[in-house]
Amino acid sequence: DADVTQTPRNRITKTGKRIMLECSQTKGHDRMYWYRQDPGLGLRLIYYSFDVKDINKGEISDGYSVSRQAQAKFSLSLESAIPNQTALYFCATSQPESPKAFFGQGTRLTVV
Amino acid sequence: QKEVEQDPGPLSVPEGAIVSLNCTYSNSAFQYFMWYRQYSRKGPELLMYTYSSGNKEDGRFTAQVDKSSKYISLFIRDSQPSDSATYLCAMRGTGANNLFFGTGTRLTVIP
Repeated sequence: DADVTQTPRNRITKTGKRIMLECSQTKGHDRMYWYRQDPGLGLRLIYYSFDVKDINKGEISDGYSVSRQAQAKFSLSLESAIPNQTALYFCATSQPESPKAFFGQGTRLTVV
Repeated sequence: QKEVEQDPGPLSVPEGAIVSLNCTYSNSAFQYFMWYRQYSRKGPELLMYTYSSGNKEDGRFTAQVDKSSKYISLFIRDSQPSDSATYLCAMRGTGANNLFFGTGTRLTVIP
């Protein structure tokens, strides 16, 4: 089983719908992140969490919200999806003293 | 100016060639320099990382950091078709929390 698991892997949704992307990890890491990846723009940080009680905005948090339900679970919500949120979304984990980040397989989201 | 700049390519080379991938950056506080490899439809995987300046070698892969020029490189020797992927550079400072990524360079190694 993957250390960082994202669900769903693919999703098509309509403009205005609320959608949640979920991430769970078995690595026991404290830190979790949500990134989006767009062609020509690379990976951009949406939100990050250093523990269950700590949530921080990243570079592009507008239109998104997150919930850290447990150390192992970090979900990303789009309250009212719009077409320019069509992208590949990645969850990642890390430990405080390590520069290494471990990524999930990604969720391909299409908003029509 | 973006924190990290990376030529997006695409880069296409014959099998056995030496590949050079590069990134430049603007933030002198960056101390950790990483290279991630991303296969199609997969998440990025850490390939190598270097702390501060210098070189690091791992098999066919060599990472170089020149902090005076704010320039990092990844060299792949004897490139193989299995090396075909997108390579992303990433950086962060000590004690800092977030990684800053380049846009990625797509590499194709032709058999």
